[in-house]
Amino acid sequence: QQQVKQSPQSLIVQKGGISIINCAYENTAFDYFPWYQQFPGKGPALLIAIRPDVSEKKEGRFTISFNKSAKQFSLHIMDSQPGDSATYFCAASSDYKLSFGAGTTVTVRA
Amino acid sequence: EPEVTQTPSHQVTQMGQEVILRCVPISNHLYFYWYRQILGQKVEFLVSFYNNEISEKSEIFDDQFSVERPDGSNFTLKIRSTKLEDSAMYFCASSDEREQADTQYFGPGTRLTVL
Repeated sequence: QQQVKQSPQSLIVQKGGISIINCAYENTAFDYFPWYQQFPGKGPALLIAIRPDVSEKKEGRFTISFNKSAKQFSLHIMDSQPGDSATYFCAASSDYKLSFGAGTTVTVRA
Repeated sequence: EPEVTQTPSHQVTQMGQEVILRCVPISNHLYFYWYRQILGQKVEFLVSFYNNEISEKSEIFDDQFSVERPDGSNFTLKIRSTKLEDSAMYFCASSDEREQADTQYFGPGTRLTVL
């Protein structure tokens, strides 16, 4: 059972553009929603996270939007840079167990 | 900045052999986890560990798997008799109960290749 669905599978954006990645979940017991960034050959690195009592969280160029009623959340990367080229995973946590989405490979073209 | 470390970075083994993957979590963290990522697929939860016992495990974590905290710093994952399908990246993670236990920090991973 796929608990967290992530889309798109990949996206290409021009330098300075906005990258948007969407996730949807089914389990209403999830109470913590982190985003991880992963470079090839490396472990996932925590990027930003949100709890369901907040609808938006911004840290630098990264923003999470959260819609509890729709059970959806998204990551916006503003002013995308070539160094942002990586795979991004959304996740959802219940009882400290993370369920990951399938990942989105973001390529930022200079 | 404190980080989770894992050894070895790459382990090659023959099918049926036992392997032990090692992790050193962030020093003041109390929750420990193992995840795996088969090449090109998503990260999957294996097991969580707190207060010297397993808190939760997934259906992947069968009798061939075990975890141990043999001392105050190491956290290990043992696969008793490896199968071809155990080939994957294995990530250790840890979190701090005082901060937010579900804020998990991942190590760089061990690539396990079963031949």
